[in-house]
Amino acid sequence: DAKTTQPPSMDCAEGRAANLPCNHSTISGNEYVYWYRQIHSQGPQYIIHGLKNNETNEMASLIITEDRKSSTLILPHATLRDTAVYYCTLTDSWGKLQFGAGTQVVVTP
Amino acid sequence: DTAVSQTPKYLVTQMGNDKSIKCEQNLGHDTMYWYKQDSKKFLKIMFSYNNKELIINETVPNRFSPKSPDKAHLNLHINSLELGDSAVYFCASSQALGDTQYFGPGTRLTVL
Repeated sequence: DAKTTQPPSMDCAEGRAANLPCNHSTISGNEYVYWYRQIHSQGPQYIIHGLKNNETNEMASLIITEDRKSSTLILPHATLRDTAVYYCTLTDSWGKLQFGAGTQVVVTP
Repeated sequence: DTAVSQTPKYLVTQMGNDKSIKCEQNLGHDTMYWYKQDSKKFLKIMFSYNNKELIINETVPNRFSPKSPDKAHLNLHINSLELGDSAVYFCASSQALGDTQYFGPGTRLTVL
């Protein structure tokens, strides 16, 4: 069973920041938080991951709370091409990604 | 240029048949995985191999047999196909166990 919970859907205006929340209250000390997205029926695309510290790359920023029980993915300037299902997942040292239902993000003009 | 590739992209077959899906990665990764995405869009891991050794084997019917001839390939063979096997199957790879996984484009299997 998935160890993360996310809102089922979210709308975002093009050009604005999209903040996607994720709860993982039962996260273990050695589990990383990973974010992927899936555009239509393509393969999941890696976005970003982190353990304790906030992370930023060319695609997004990841904010992890101090107690690690929740995180937020930030897409700084959403474009129409960012419309996708976004998955927050956890993985341990064995690499077992546990996907939940994800959040359907729709970016509107 | 493709990192993780799968063949075929679509597979339509009759119940009871045996079929294989192939996966290849040119990233030089040591670990490869198979995931299944059902009609409700839930992605679940099936298997993982590290250096050709089986690491993860989730509760999958033994009609499913992964085979890794070398580190760059992980094939999935399915015997006696059933209607419930219809799904999209994704292959993924990572540098090592627990590292970031990169997914292939998927194989849509339809069992009639």
